[in-house]
Amino acid sequence: AAGVIQSPRHLIKEKRETATLKCYPIPRHDTVYWYQQGPGQDPQFLISFYEKMQSDKGSIPDRFSAQQFSDYHSELNMSSLELGDSALYFCASSPNTGTGSYEQYFGPGTRLTVT
Amino acid sequence: DAKTTQPPSMDCAEGRAANLPCNHSTISGNEYVYWYRQIHSQGPQYIIHGLKNNETNEMASLIITEDRKSSTLILPHATLRDTAVYYCIVLNDYKLSFGAGTTVTVRA
Repeated sequence: AAGVIQSPRHLIKEKRETATLKCYPIPRHDTVYWYQQGPGQDPQFLISFYEKMQSDKGSIPDRFSAQQFSDYHSELNMSSLELGDSALYFCASSPNTGTGSYEQYFGPGTRLTVT
Repeated sequence: DAKTTQPPSMDCAEGRAANLPCNHSTISGNEYVYWYRQIHSQGPQYIIHGLKNNETNEMASLIITEDRKSSTLILPHATLRDTAVYYCIVLNDYKLSFGAGTTVTVRA
């Protein structure tokens, strides 16, 4: 079965640079979520999109922005990178089942290292 | 948000059932209980979810108490590949709030 695709899988950037992470959801999934997991920490919700509109926002820094495109893929843009942005970034997608339950399926993550 | 409480760690013998408890005493009537697991540095993996009734799928069973204040995830025959951090989450506004889960170590 098709899974969530994230690219790149690994990314090394220097401080103050920008980075763009991409996420391709499972086909026919219309909702995308982004999570950040720092070293030794649990995943933290950043932002989500439903039908190309931002649906919820968590602890996402103002230096980060994201969007969902017409083909439902999503990009997380990160500017003025800081050492503390080094983390695993997961994308998840879910279908709109209309039943009130929403399983999220996660991608393999992008490991961002800021030096 | 409804908070969940899980034991920080537990060991399980390979081939035996693993019973993972979770307390969620402030859960609202329309909130689902979800279970995910994360094998080291991989993306979290959906296991199962439920509202009121007990649920079973190919991975696990979920037992929810009648008052819905607690639940138990059952892995019927644990294998070494089930070693992971298991998260019990009460879904709020569709986003997952990962708290401190249970680190399950399956031993041969």
